Amino acid sequence: KQEVTQIPAALSVPEGENLVLNCSFTDSAIYNLQWFRQDPGKGLTSLLLIQSSQREQTSGRLNASLDKSSGRSTLYIAASQPGDSATYLCAVPPISGGYNKLIFGAGTRLAVHP
Amino acid sequence: EAGVVQSPRYKIIEKKQPVAFWCNPISGHNTLYWYLQNLGQGPELLIRYENEEAVDDSQLPKDRFSAERLKGVDSTLKIQPAELGDSAVYLCASSSGTGAGEQYFGPGTRLTVT
Repeated sequence: KQEVTQIPAALSVPEGENLVLNCSFTDSAIYNLQWFRQDPGKGLTSLLLIQSSQREQTSGRLNASLDKSSGRSTLYIAASQPGDSATYLCAVPPISGGYNKLIFGAGTRLAVHP
Repeated sequence: EAGVVQSPRYKIIEKKQPVAFWCNPISGHNTLYWYLQNLGQGPELLIRYENEEAVDDSQLPKDRFSAERLKGVDSTLKIQPAELGDSAVYLCASSSGTGAGEQYFGPGTRLTVT
């Protein structure tokens, strides 16, 4: 059974810092890995999707890497801003479950203070 | 393009009462998902529809939960009777079946059972 773990559970940083969020998964047979952002009281917004054959994806100040063999992904946020404060979740669709059956981690709650 | 629409956004009911949540997916998306998100956890899939057919309802507690997707567009998730442990956020998502299965989420319905 696929399990997804995110470390740390919470993180508080001053504005301007570069930071790394970690995601690990137990079954490396995945279609892709997705990172989402969730603001309080709102739904999830897709940030980045990395196909299983890819090593990384970039969008603006965000860079996500994938090491499928070791079951790990990192989300790198450069020059953090208070507007980045949110919960960040990673999710994987295991090949055993189909590409649209996402298994989520519990998320990392990020607070960026001025 | 309008996103996934859910209503109501908030619902407070007493235990043993029935409750229903409504979801309108993104136009043209044939796949619709209902997720349950407990506080501090990632979403967990309850049921997935391909058009009007429920293709994965293995996580749906069928003794009290039911869902329907008439005409393969809007969907309703019902709980009857509600229990205290059902207090959570119920998220709806949709996908087009292309684009590597990327899912788009609605804002969710926060249910409180007293």
